[in-house]
Amino acid sequence: EIVLTQFPATLSLSPGERATLSCRASQSVYSYLAWYQQKPGQTPRLLIYDALNRATGIPARFSGSGSGTDFTLTISSLEPEDFAVYYCQHRSKWPQTFGQGTKVEIK
Amino acid sequence: EVQLLESGGGLVQSGGSLRLSCAASGSTFSNRAMSWVRQAPGKGLEWISAISGSGGSTYYAESVKGRFTISRDNSKNTLYLHMNSLGPEDTAVYYCAADFFAEPAVILEYWGQGTLVTVAS
Repeated sequence: EIVLTQFPATLSLSPGERATLSCRASQSVYSYLAWYQQKPGQTPRLLIYDALNRATGIPARFSGSGSGTDFTLTISSLEPEDFAVYYCQHRSKWPQTFGQGTKVEIK
Repeated sequence: EVQLLESGGGLVQSGGSLRLSCAASGSTFSNRAMSWVRQAPGKGLEWISAISGSGGSTYYAESVKGRFTISRDNSKNTLYLHMNSLGPEDTAVYYCAADFFAEPAVILEYWGQGTLVTVAS
């Protein structure tokens, strides 16, 4: 199965700062990569699919990039509600897998 | 928009069985593939199974293959997960999630609130 490695494990930033989260696949997943946000005690929410497409209702400060094995989720200016855990997930072949997550915490 | 509500979780002894349900509303259920994703306490997300909108195609993670069965009843707008031979490693919150398309793309657009399954050893 394809292993997704996310880094860093934890990102400590202040509101208003730019966040850059990375996800690396053990083999090419083409552009079949999604990003999800999960706040404590809440259900995951789809942010980005197929590497760069924002899901419905997702603010423009969230953007995705990359292809092949290296992907990035960028939050251009952190809002207080953005502090959460972020997961990448591929759908290039079965089984689909998630990365282990990056926690974005308030510095 | 799709609303999803899971039920059926609870405490079960190791080796036991359980059936989870996920009731859907708000959209044509058969137009969407569905997945089950679980999250062990304090851990990350694990996709475990998917089913096409028609129910004709099913997919499983190796960790549950042969023990879990996904199914759906489109006349009742309900998704199921039959779980057998449960072990402590299956303890998790189980989420159902709705896909973008009728064939599983595993772009999980809508999620339920989850139901907790606890397996006692």
